[in-house]
Amino acid sequence: GAVVSQHPSWVICKSGTSVKIECRSLDFQATTMFWYRQFPKQSLMLMATSNEGSKATYEQGVEKDKFLINHASLTLSTLTVTSAHPEDSSFYICSARDPEDDYEQYFGPGTRLTVT
Amino acid sequence: AQKITQTQPGMFVQEKEAVTLDCTYDTSDPSYGLFWYKQPSSGEMIFLIYQGSYDQQNATEGRYSLNFQKARKSANLVISASQLGDSAMYFCAMREGYGNQFYFGTGTSLTVIP
Repeated sequence: GAVVSQHPSWVICKSGTSVKIECRSLDFQATTMFWYRQFPKQSLMLMATSNEGSKATYEQGVEKDKFLINHASLTLSTLTVTSAHPEDSSFYICSARDPEDDYEQYFGPGTRLTVT
Repeated sequence: AQKITQTQPGMFVQEKEAVTLDCTYDTSDPSYGLFWYKQPSSGEMIFLIYQGSYDQQNATEGRYSLNFQKARKSANLVISASQLGDSAMYFCAMREGYGNQFYFGTGTSLTVIP
């Protein structure tokens, strides 16, 4: 199956700093990527849908100025958490759709963010 | 209304036994897809099995099978011959039509007892 990578796999940062998380589709071109957030023992919450070459579509309640998403190429989407606070600590997972595959989303391994 | 409902927060099963994880869904779209994912403690989401709304047969993938009851809007996951490595969170998800958004259930934590 298709492979999606995320970098870094974990990161610790101080309050007030910004953190960038990368999501890459390694063996396919992903026109659409998704960013999810997951709190411990909870389900995945879709944050935004990222389309290559256009602005991301954010879900209701997600601050677009805080969670900046850029999908600059068909294989890379980035999520930048700006001015991070401890409440932003979470597990962030990206996924991507392969246009050649009509039904599945391929998930990255996730990034664990801890803000101190 | 919830799109995906998983009513079992936690389940236990004896090693080598079979276990059923429940999932019901809600949609008015005649075309949809149902998915099951496994999430071990490492956090990665592992795709297990897929069932399309027009599929006549229940999906099977190795030890995983999906008990698809369309009229009841249920898509239960059956794991046969449970192994210790099956201990994980299991999420049911749905995609409506050919849209992008996946709707996830709240998950079931499965523990396999030796």
